[in-house]
Amino acid sequence: SAVISQKPSRDICQRGTSLTIQCQVDSQVTMMFWYRQQPGQSLTLIATANQGSEATYESGFVIDKFPISRPNLTFSTLTVSNMSPEDSSIYLCSVGTPRGQYFGPGTRLTVT
Amino acid sequence: AQTVTQSQPEMSVQEAETVTLSCTYDTSESDYYLFWYKQPPSRQMILVIRQEAYKQQNATENRFSVNFQKAAKSFSLKISDSQLGDAAMYFCAYRSPPNFGNEKLTFGTGTRLTIIP
Repeated sequence: SAVISQKPSRDICQRGTSLTIQCQVDSQVTMMFWYRQQPGQSLTLIATANQGSEATYESGFVIDKFPISRPNLTFSTLTVSNMSPEDSSIYLCSVGTPRGQYFGPGTRLTVT
Repeated sequence: AQTVTQSQPEMSVQEAETVTLSCTYDTSESDYYLFWYKQPPSRQMILVIRQEAYKQQNATENRFSVNFQKAAKSFSLKISDSQLGDAAMYFCAYRSPPNFGNEKLTFGTGTRLTIIP
């Protein structure tokens, strides 16, 4: 398994601002993923981030709103831009391993 | 596109008893992976068990086992000797095999499991 940390663990942000979430893994991984979990809902994939290439976004998610960086094999960031109350969710990063995907503890974002 | 369905929004079980959570999925692929994840109130997603579609033998991890019925596209999770720490949301998930270059997980809507002391 992999040990994954996320910063911040939670934040309360004003409408119209941006927040960058960091994801750090204790080992080198090729594939990292960012998911959103809206209150009481299941997880929805935002994008897949492979080191050395552009992130691949799922339908309904765009780079201008959710820019992603993947500078090396142990780190990635997700920015939630120009936030609105509808962006209030838990954001989780995960990493792909031969056994399956392992998740970070999540970032709980509240937009007021 | 693959879909995953969990028809039981909530389940409850007496402590020390056995409970089965249901999951069905739809896919046109012949090779894939299925997973059960647990999300306790702490919100950390925990990988519970995984099943490869090409394996006929059902996966087992301690008190957790699955009943994988490929033809019926059914993948249920059995929890034996339920413990208070098993209380959580349980998500069923589907993934294409790595050589398809698409390792994203498709999740079901989840089943909230309550353990009654």
